[in-house]
Amino acid sequence: KAGVTQTPRYLIKTRGQQVTLSCSPISGHRSVSWYQQTPGQGLQFLFEYFSETQRNKGNFPGRFSGRQFSNSRSEMNVSTLELGDSALYLCASIPGGRSTDTQYFGPGTRLTVL
Amino acid sequence: SQQGEEDPQALSIQEGENATMNCSYKTSINNLQWYRQNSGRGLVHLILIRSNEREKHSGRLRVTLDTSKKSSSLLITASRAADTASYFCATDGAGGTSYGKLTFGQGTILTVHP
Repeated sequence: KAGVTQTPRYLIKTRGQQVTLSCSPISGHRSVSWYQQTPGQGLQFLFEYFSETQRNKGNFPGRFSGRQFSNSRSEMNVSTLELGDSALYLCASIPGGRSTDTQYFGPGTRLTVL
Repeated sequence: SQQGEEDPQALSIQEGENATMNCSYKTSINNLQWYRQNSGRGLVHLILIRSNEREKHSGRLRVTLDTSKKSSSLLITASRAADTASYFCATDGAGGTSYGKLTFGQGTILTVHP
């Protein structure tokens, strides 16, 4: 099976812009989680989607949003970008959507906000 | 915020030596997982240990879990230069409602010198 795909791999934006990141999970996997990784805060959970529904959300402002499509592909959007949003954004593909499932991560999207 | 601490923050050893990393967490869990990350890339799943297990092996990896102390250790035997990476422990939340949310430690940076 192909692994988790994230596009784009690198992105440079300026403050105030918005950005959309995409994640294609492993074929057959039904759930997707998103994480932000920064040197200061480490890896932090953003949100989780299962069958097009957001079931869980981390402690991030409303500028961070996401959605999942019927084919399980997911997108996350960050509006009104701030310098502090510069980070590696990781998507995880989860087989059955159970909270105990192993998560399989994509290579990430490196976002730089200037 | 992070679930807990990883110890040590950095570890430098020679090829052939064993590497031990420790992780502590704060809340009850269903599972604890260990991941590896090479230099700002995606996370690679190494091993999952369930809360009712005390020890698990996978190749050169040995993981222990002590739920009474809320701690886990990862032992890599006969280390290789290719094991150079950051290692993270991640916990889910007991109760089955923390959908898709893993809480990560700060990580241990392992350097294996040839």
